[in-house]
Amino acid sequence: DAGVIQSPRHEVTEMGQEVTLRCKPISGHDYLFWYRQTMMRGLELLIYFNNNVPIDDSGMPEDRFSAKMPNASFSTLKIQPSEPRDSAVYFCASSYPRLAGGSQWAGELFFGEGSRLTVL
Amino acid sequence: SQKIEQNSEALNIQEGKTATLTCNYTNYSPAYLQWYRQDPGRGPVFLLLIRENEKEKRKERLKVTFDTTLKQSLFHITASQPADSATYLCALTGSGQNFVFGPGTRLSVLP
Repeated sequence: DAGVIQSPRHEVTEMGQEVTLRCKPISGHDYLFWYRQTMMRGLELLIYFNNNVPIDDSGMPEDRFSAKMPNASFSTLKIQPSEPRDSAVYFCASSYPRLAGGSQWAGELFFGEGSRLTVL
Repeated sequence: SQKIEQNSEALNIQEGKTATLTCNYTNYSPAYLQWYRQDPGRGPVFLLLIRENEKEKRKERLKVTFDTTLKQSLFHITASQPADSATYLCALTGSGQNFVFGPGTRLSVLP
């Protein structure tokens, strides 16, 4: 498997523009997570999905952020309108469920390489 | 409020020595604790998981301990090498599938 695939790797945009980040999880993984990483706040969970359904979106900073998972192999994180304080690296990660792993479950998160967003 | 702390932002150590990184937490009752490695410009990579009822877990040169009374995990790298230089993150979860990450410790192993 190619691992978790994110695009774009780098995005530079101007304040007020719409930004869409994309993620393809590992095939067979039922969980998908969106994290944001900054120097000040570290790695923060924004939202996660199970079987394409959002389970916890309490980390989404405000209504300007939205995430969708229309099918098991694709998710988007959208920021509209973008602001300079949204500048960060956004990571997507996927995982398989605890029951599937049985007693050997490690809850391992498989991260993509991230999308570095700069909002000017 | 819930908080995860890692001993220091940066740790320098001489090659061949044992590196010890600390993860402390407050107001959590984690069932699982994980350690990840992150290289510059890359996503975190899973290293080890330890359960609340386990005291110690080993994998090659890595050892993790978990003390739920002290609310602390220690992460050891024995016979450290320059290639071990990276940022190391601890992450906690309770009964759910989502992990909350600490701020990380940047380890530099000097030749």
